[in-house]
Amino acid sequence: KQEVTQIPAALSVPEGENLVLNCSFTDSAIYNLQWFRQDPGKGLTSLLLIQSSQREQTSGRLNASLDKSSGRSTLYIAASQPGDSATYLCAVNTGNQFYFGTGTSLTVIP
Amino acid sequence: EAGVAQSPRYKIIEKRQSVAFWCNPISGHATLYWYQQILGQGPKLLIQFQNNGVVDDSQLPKDRFSAERLKGVDSTLKIQPAKLEDSAVYLCASSLDVALGQFFGPGTRLTVL
Repeated sequence: KQEVTQIPAALSVPEGENLVLNCSFTDSAIYNLQWFRQDPGKGLTSLLLIQSSQREQTSGRLNASLDKSSGRSTLYIAASQPGDSATYLCAVNTGNQFYFGTGTSLTVIP
Repeated sequence: EAGVAQSPRYKIIEKRQSVAFWCNPISGHATLYWYQQILGQGPKLLIQFQNNGVVDDSQLPKDRFSAERLKGVDSTLKIQPAKLEDSAVYLCASSLDVALGQFFGPGTRLTVL
């Protein structure tokens, strides 16, 4: 069974700092990997989707990379802003099902 | 394009009562998912529909939870009777194609007292 881990569970950084969130998975046989943002009391907002054949995807200040062979993905956030404060979740798609990590709670301090 | 709609947004009930949640997916999305998210955890899949057929309900507690998607569009998830441990956010998601990922509604926060 696929297991997805996100470390750290919580992260606090000053505004303007670049940061990296980590996602690791146990089975490299994945179809794609999706990064989400979740604000308190809200649903999940899709940020980036990386197919298994891709190495990275970029959207604005966000860049997600995928190393399938090592079972790792990273989400890079450039020039962090207080509005980036939220929980970030990764989800691994095996083609049949999505497996979620427990998320990293990010706080950007003004 | 309208997103995934869910209602109600919040619900408070006593244990042993019943409750129902509704979801309307993005138009044209054949796959619909119901997830349970307990505070501090990632979403856990309860049931997955492809059109009006069930693809995966292996983690659905079938003694108390039921779900249907009769016309292959909107769906309802029911809990009867509710337990304290059912307190969670219930998320609905839909997908056009697995290669395009999934898209979530705002969720329903259930509190069981």
